[in-house]
Amino acid sequence: DADVTQTPRNRITKTGKRIMLECSQTKGHDRMYWYRQDPGLGLRLIYYSFDVKDINKGEISDGYSVSRQAQAKFSLSLESAIPNQTALYFCATSDTGKRYGYTFGSGTRLTVV
Amino acid sequence: GESVGLHLPTLSVQEGDNSIINCAYSNSASDYFIWYKQESGKGPQFIIDIRSNMDKRQGQRVTVLLNKTVKHLSLQIAATQPGDSAVYFCAESRSAGNMLTFGGGTRLMVKP
Repeated sequence: DADVTQTPRNRITKTGKRIMLECSQTKGHDRMYWYRQDPGLGLRLIYYSFDVKDINKGEISDGYSVSRQAQAKFSLSLESAIPNQTALYFCATSDTGKRYGYTFGSGTRLTVV
Repeated sequence: GESVGLHLPTLSVQEGDNSIINCAYSNSASDYFIWYKQESGKGPQFIIDIRSNMDKRQGQRVTVLLNKTVKHLSLQIAATQPGDSAVYFCAESRSAGNMLTFGGGTRLMVKP
């Protein structure tokens, strides 16, 4: 099983719909992140959490919300999806003070029509 | 603001040649650097890291070079193979275990 699991892998949704992307990890890491990837724009940080009770906005948090339900689970919600939120979404985890940076999930490809 | 950037968005090399992917960073306080490889349809994967107290670090067929004077990072891949075709990201942070800032990525294409 993957260390960082994202569900669903692919999703097509309609404009205005609420959608949740889920992420779970078995790494035991304390920090979790949500990134968005658009072609040619690299990775942009949406939200991050350093612990269960900690939620922080990243550079592109507008239109998104998150929930850290447990140390191992971090979900991303689009309250009212719009077409320009069509992108590849990655969840990542890391361990405070440890090497090797982030462990990424395999991504969720979201299309808003 | 502070950022990490890449010089070349696409690099095309012949199979068997060496590849060099470059990255510039602007945050002089950065202490820790990582290279990631992202294959099509997958999440980025750790390749190699280096701390600012080092100039060079070698892995299996990969070498990372750090030039702190000009704030430049490079990834060298020896004897490039088709399986090396991917997007490569550099990332930096104030220290290991801290939040990373990612560069925009370079696509490496290996020609047979």
